[in-house]
Amino acid sequence: RKEVEQDPGPFNVPEGATVAFNCTYSNSASQSFFWYRQDCRKEPKLLMSVYSSGNEDGRFTAQLNRASQYISLLIRDSKLSDSATYLCAVNRRLTGGGNKLTFGTGTQLKVEL
Amino acid sequence: SAVISQKPSRDICQRGTSLTIQCQVDSQVTMMFWYRQQPGQSLTLIATANQGSEATYESGFVIDKFPISRPNLTFSTLTVSNMSPEDSSIYLCSVEELAGGSLFSGEQYFGPGTRLTVT
Repeated sequence: RKEVEQDPGPFNVPEGATVAFNCTYSNSASQSFFWYRQDCRKEPKLLMSVYSSGNEDGRFTAQLNRASQYISLLIRDSKLSDSATYLCAVNRRLTGGGNKLTFGTGTQLKVEL
Repeated sequence: SAVISQKPSRDICQRGTSLTIQCQVDSQVTMMFWYRQQPGQSLTLIATANQGSEATYESGFVIDKFPISRPNLTFSTLTVSNMSPEDSSIYLCSVEELAGGSLFSGEQYFGPGTRLTVT
């Protein structure tokens, strides 16, 4: 089983729709969680961090369910500019110090007129 | 967040040669990392670049193939040695910044990447 799993999509949604992505992780020792956005041929950019149960930033809401070991990202009122690949990342502190960030394969979102 | 630059932005190399990629940060950062993103895939951590000591490599990556230097807190290099077409990928450096005090947040910020094609 992969350490971090995401549905690759693509999710094709009309402008204005609400869309949600899930991401599951296998290591219960994971401590913090992130959603990154990656546009085609660009580097990933940090979208949201999730340290406790959830986080909200404008149209974006991230939630964490530790019992079921998944995080979700909800996008309300989708815009054309939201079209991108959304990467889930899971952080684990290493016993020797430092952190390890493991990424999912990403979910592709296409927002259409 | 820190501003990160990478050189070169892209290169086409012949098999058997080596390429050194530079990562420069505009402020001192404690943690720097190197990732690879192969076509259509997600990011895979190659190693943590440690300042003043040898890098910490992930399973499947070795120092002979991917030597890393980190001479100070703002700069690191990754060399891809004896390249083969399978090394064609995007190579990205990232930094982790402090959340406050000495607690690392886990948040990482990425450079623009180096797109490598090996022929």
